[in-house]
Amino acid sequence: KNEVEQSPQNLTAQEGEFITINCSYSVGISALHWLQQHPGGGIVSLFMLSSGKKKHGRLIATINIQEKHSSLHITASHPRDSAVYICAVRFGAGSYQLTFGKGTKLSVIP
Amino acid sequence: NAGVTQTPKFRVLKTGQSMTLLCAQDMNHEYMYWYRQDPGMGLRLIHYSVGEGTTAKGEVPDGYNVSRLKKQNFLLGLESAAPSQTSVYFCASSLLLAGHNEQFFGPGTRLTVL
Repeated sequence: KNEVEQSPQNLTAQEGEFITINCSYSVGISALHWLQQHPGGGIVSLFMLSSGKKKHGRLIATINIQEKHSSLHITASHPRDSAVYICAVRFGAGSYQLTFGKGTKLSVIP
Repeated sequence: NAGVTQTPKFRVLKTGQSMTLLCAQDMNHEYMYWYRQDPGMGLRLIHYSVGEGTTAKGEVPDGYNVSRLKKQNFLLGLESAAPSQTSVYFCASSLLLAGHNEQFFGPGTRLTVL
């Protein structure tokens, strides 16, 4: 079964800390997404990756295709970064479906 | 642009009742999706549509039906609600295939079936 595993499940950090959230998947993929779900429930797309690295503000996403692993980094974390971060992958070029991880709940304390 | 909107935002049903959730998008997206989100689980795809007049089953389609009569709307129906369908339902849309384009999500509908 194609699976997506995220770690850690929960993460508490002090404001200003560098944060890393990990995502591993079981077989080859055609694309990987990082999403953010706010405490109010809304979901927004942060990144879509098929190789290499992307950066947007304080967020950096990397993917290692050979290792079947992606990381989401947050530099200089802030309480407003508190949210659930979700990894989702598309297994195979012919699939319409995304498979989602269970999410990592991040709490940044002032 | 309103993006993706969902109605209603909250609903409580009794077992056996029926209802329809409406999803609307104003981005002229071809692809639309219905997901459910349950505690301790990732989002799971219920049904999806690759264009007006077409629908297909996702990972967990049982107990749900969908229709896409207009490109901008995607309806999710529960004919006879069951407590197992208590969940938060998200609609999403994308311009092209799921993995190649960003998905835009609606705000969610929290459904409780008693």
